[in-house]
Order: sequence, then structure tokens, then C-alpha cells
Amino acid sequence: QQPVQSPQAVILREGEDAVINCSSSKALYSVHWYRQKHGEAPVFLMILLKGGEQKGHEKISASFNEKKQQSSLYLTASQLSYSGTYFCGTASGTALIFGKGTTLSVSS
Amino acid sequence: NAGVTQTPKFRVLKTGQSMTLLCAQDMNHEYMYWYRQDPGMGLRLIHYSVGEGTTAKGEVPDGYNVSRLKKQNFLLGLESAAPSQTSVYFCASRDRAEGEAFFGQGTRLTVV
Repeated sequence: QQPVQSPQAVILREGEDAVINCSSSKALYSVHWYRQKHGEAPVFLMILLKGGEQKGHEKISASFNEKKQQSSLYLTASQLSYSGTYFCGTASGTALIFGKGTTLSVSS
Repeated sequence: NAGVTQTPKFRVLKTGQSMTLLCAQDMNHEYMYWYRQDPGMGLRLIHYSVGEGTTAKGEVPDGYNVSRLKKQNFLLGLESAAPSQTSVYFCASRDRAEGEAFFGQGTRLTVV
């Protein structure tokens, strides 16, 4: 079952902050975050593992609440390059299931 | 190091025709995945594999078959294409359950 992302879309001015949420109805082993630019492949941002380990970009932060099967991606001091569609992916086993995405638009 | 390579990048099929999409990775990854991406639907998992000779169904497997005869290759087949299979198809691989996924550049398939 696809994880649920919210909001569906966010519009920001440069320098503003945003939070994207992801929730699942299944117990999770890991949560992944990816960003996709129009016409391109998704690119890895961060992975959060059960037990607290995190791997990813230094300028991006995220949280993972294992008990609630929820994760949030924090985008601070947004830049024009942050624009794109953000996907969370959840893994309770070997399958990696993605949500429908959150479209982020940053303007100057 | 090419990463994940998909072949072909574009294809137009007539309804009822068959075709095979090839995904090749040179990172020695165990897990490989096929997704389809449609507007507003995100990335939906079609089939996946956790090792050579193994395959499993994902969220939307109907109308597709897969094979993983070699560790580095994961093939997606459409036996009788339908217009509903018009989509962008992405292949991805990762080395273990804790690993990040690497995506190919996608295949844009149109069925007329």
C-alpha cells in the first residue's frame, strides 16, 4: 500500500522553509526520500533506518517516528534548486513502495 | 561507471504488440525494481527481484512479466500491449535493505 504524502503541493519564496510528511499503515524498516526534476530520474536525498541511523545530504534533515510509521522531510532556507517533486519511499521488507509525491515550487 | 542503464529510452507500440525493456546495472546490486510513473500517481511498483533467479509482484503487476537470469540484468516484458500501459517506466537497484536506490533514466512508452 502506497504511503500517504502531505501536502500535495507547496509554493515557496526563496529562503522560506517547508515540511513534507509521509505516513504508512505498515510497520517500516526504512524510509527513503528522493527528489525528481521534470523529465529526469529521481535522485536520492536521504534514508532513515529503524533504530535511528540516517544517511543522506548534509543540508537536508528528516525525522522518522517508528512507532507511528511517519517521517517528515525538512527543507530550510529554500533555494531555487529545491524545486521539483519529492517522493517518500517506504520499505517494510525488500519491496520499496513510493508515495504520490509532493510538488515543491520555489520562486525568487 | 554507468550505474543503471535502461534500453530503449523511447518506444511507440501498437495495441497488441509485445516488447521487452532492459535494465542493466554495473554496481553488483542484489535488489532490482521496475516502476511505472503516471501523472498524479507517483511511482508504482510493478515487479521486483531480490537476487538472480528471483522475482516478486509489486503493486501493479497485471499485464507485465519479468525475468532476472543474470544478476546485472532485469527484464520487463509486455506480452500484449494496451493503451493503459502508456507510461514512463523506471528501473532502480540497490545493494541491500539499508541501501539507497539508484534509478535509470527512464523509458517513455506510448501504446497507440
